[in-house]
Amino acid sequence: EVQLVESGGGLVQPGGSLRLSCAASGFTVSSNYMSWVRQAPGKGLEWVSVIYSGGSTYYADSVKGRFTISRDNSKNTLYLQMNSLRAEDTAVYYCASKIVGATGFGSGIDYWGQGTLVTVSS
Amino acid sequence: QAVVTQEPSLTVSPGGTVTLTCGSSTGAVTSGHYPYWFQQKPGQAPRTLIYDTSNKHSWTPARFSGSLLGGKAALTLSGAQPEDEAEYYCLLSYSGVLWVFGGGTKLTVL
Repeated sequence: EVQLVESGGGLVQPGGSLRLSCAASGFTVSSNYMSWVRQAPGKGLEWVSVIYSGGSTYYADSVKGRFTISRDNSKNTLYLQMNSLRAEDTAVYYCASKIVGATGFGSGIDYWGQGTLVTVSS
Repeated sequence: QAVVTQEPSLTVSPGGTVTLTCGSSTGAVTSGHYPYWFQQKPGQAPRTLIYDTSNKHSWTPARFSGSLLGGKAALTLSGAQPEDEAEYYCLLSYSGVLWVFGGGTKLTVL
């Protein structure tokens, strides 16, 4: 059974940093596509970043240069390092995965975590 | 930056049929955008319904179907149930380097 469990959210001051983690089980993180999606309070979904199985990473313009997506294969865990945080980064951050091959090879999301709340405020 | 558009809200009667659409500011939506559809209920994480335009997951109710329609991706719900009341989002991929969600459609079953 695929499971994604996020952690690391919390309250941080503007300009601060935070690292989110996503522990995966039921599949191998390094062999599949892993992404982060966020949702500001009362708003829609916003794609943040993706890391493909080959290691390529891509970011939304809104976070480029401030956020870094990475993975630890030995821990089967995905990370999102968030620096220079702004009030507009306040959101629930979801970890998401696509099982390559099982649902084709195009970009997308099959499974979602429950999310972790990040609040940027002084 | 591409913009993906969805109807802000739609209403369907119980047992009725409704089609939600997903358009792109860059032109026609094609299978190469790998259209995905998600359902989100209040207080819950999203759930994937449709992948690669028209494919269903094992948990996707049979009454949901996906297609391309008039240059847009479409999600059709046939035989709406009260539990289908939710927010629906589409996702398009642009050459794999940019993913963009639509703004969401609030579906009311009334």
